[in-house]
Amino acid sequence: EPEVTQTPSHQVTQMGQEVILRCVPISNHLYFYWYRQILGQKVEFLVSFYNNEISEKSEIFDDQFSVERPDGSNFTLKIRSTKLEDSAMYFCASSESWRGNTDTQYFGPGTRLTVL
Amino acid sequence: AQSVTQLGSHVSVSEGALVLLRCNYSSSVPPYLFWYVQYPNQGLQLLLKYTTGATLVKGINGFEAEFKKSETSFHLTKPSAHMSDAAEYFCAVSEVSGNTPLVFGKGTRLSVIA
Repeated sequence: EPEVTQTPSHQVTQMGQEVILRCVPISNHLYFYWYRQILGQKVEFLVSFYNNEISEKSEIFDDQFSVERPDGSNFTLKIRSTKLEDSAMYFCASSESWRGNTDTQYFGPGTRLTVL
Repeated sequence: AQSVTQLGSHVSVSEGALVLLRCNYSSSVPPYLFWYVQYPNQGLQLLLKYTTGATLVKGINGFEAEFKKSETSFHLTKPSAHMSDAAEYFCAVSEVSGNTPLVFGKGTRLSVIA
């Protein structure tokens, strides 16, 4: 069964450094998402992406965050200058249809980001 | 704004006992409702979802949930717990209009005791 993959599974970085989290969505899916979960808190939406542009973003997704689909398979989340509070599990998801809210969002296993 | 409340961050049941995980939501419009499960070191997997139609929804692994509009609830149940059901369970909601993102609850960790 097709699945969303994410690399790396765990990333440790120093405060102020740039990190890029990578995701490979399911191949025929059109909508892509990033969510994050700070330890002990809710899974929170960051951004959705469709047709090579951001379709929606949360207030968390400020100027230090960016997303990109650099080729036909990868979907990346970049954090320009990491802060301690960026430490979290980051989940990538994808859905098949433009009617994203009626379709199932398929999630990857997550990347645990630790900022020291 | 939508929100989801999951009562109990940790639920423990004996093997063979009923599983009941509670989820209440708030939404200004009739929502779509989801239950996801996360096994250790894995991604979030959809258990079941309610969009329209029958309010009792059956999912994978013997789980089901009932949408009760009057109670704004979408509780997850399974008649008989199995050791393999031990995982983190997340309730989520999305609006009916547009491609709105999922709004999640904090999750409930289910432990199954032999």
